[in-house]
Amino acid sequence: EPEVTQTPSHQVTQMGQEVILHCVPISNHLYFYWYRQILGQKVEFLVSFYNNEISEKSEIFDDQFSVERPDGSNFTLKIRSTKLEDSAMYFCASSGRGGQGNQPQHFGDGTRLSIL
Amino acid sequence: DAKTTQPNSMESNEEEPVHLPCNHSTISGTDYIHWYRQLPSQGPEYVIHGLTSNVNNRMASLAIAEDRKSSTLILHRATLRDAAVYYCILKRRGSQGNLIFGKGTKLSVKP
Repeated sequence: EPEVTQTPSHQVTQMGQEVILHCVPISNHLYFYWYRQILGQKVEFLVSFYNNEISEKSEIFDDQFSVERPDGSNFTLKIRSTKLEDSAMYFCASSGRGGQGNQPQHFGDGTRLSIL
Repeated sequence: DAKTTQPNSMESNEEEPVHLPCNHSTISGTDYIHWYRQLPSQGPEYVIHGLTSNVNNRMASLAIAEDRKSSTLILHRATLRDAAVYYCILKRRGSQGNLIFGKGTKLSVKP
């Protein structure tokens, strides 16, 4: 069964540094998402992406965040100047065609980001 | 998206059925009911979804009340691998947007 792949599984970065998290969504999917989960807390939506542009973003997704689909397979999340509070699990997800609210999202196993 | 209410935790014995309830009294006619689960140290995993009729798949069954103000996820024979946090989420028809996760129900399965 096709799956969403995220790399690296664990990223350790110094505060203030830039970090890029990588995701390979399921190949025929058209909608892409990033979520995060701070340890012990709820999964929170960050951003959704469709047709090469952001379709929706949350308040968390401020100017230090950006997303890109640099080629036909990768979907990246960049954090420009990391802060201690950015430490979290970051999950990528994708879903297929169909805007009926009934398309399931498929998640990767996440990247654990640790900011020192 | 409308709000859902779930118990914080539930326990089950292995190989017994589990009924996980969800209340969504403010559901609108165009909201789909989705269930996801999150196993320890993994990303959320889609389980099942429905609109009005009961649904079955290889993982579970979804029973939806006639007035749609509540639903129940049914695991027919719980295994140790089913120990996870289960989330009930409403998604509006025509929406391809984000999932709003609550705290979910933490299911423990005893051998």
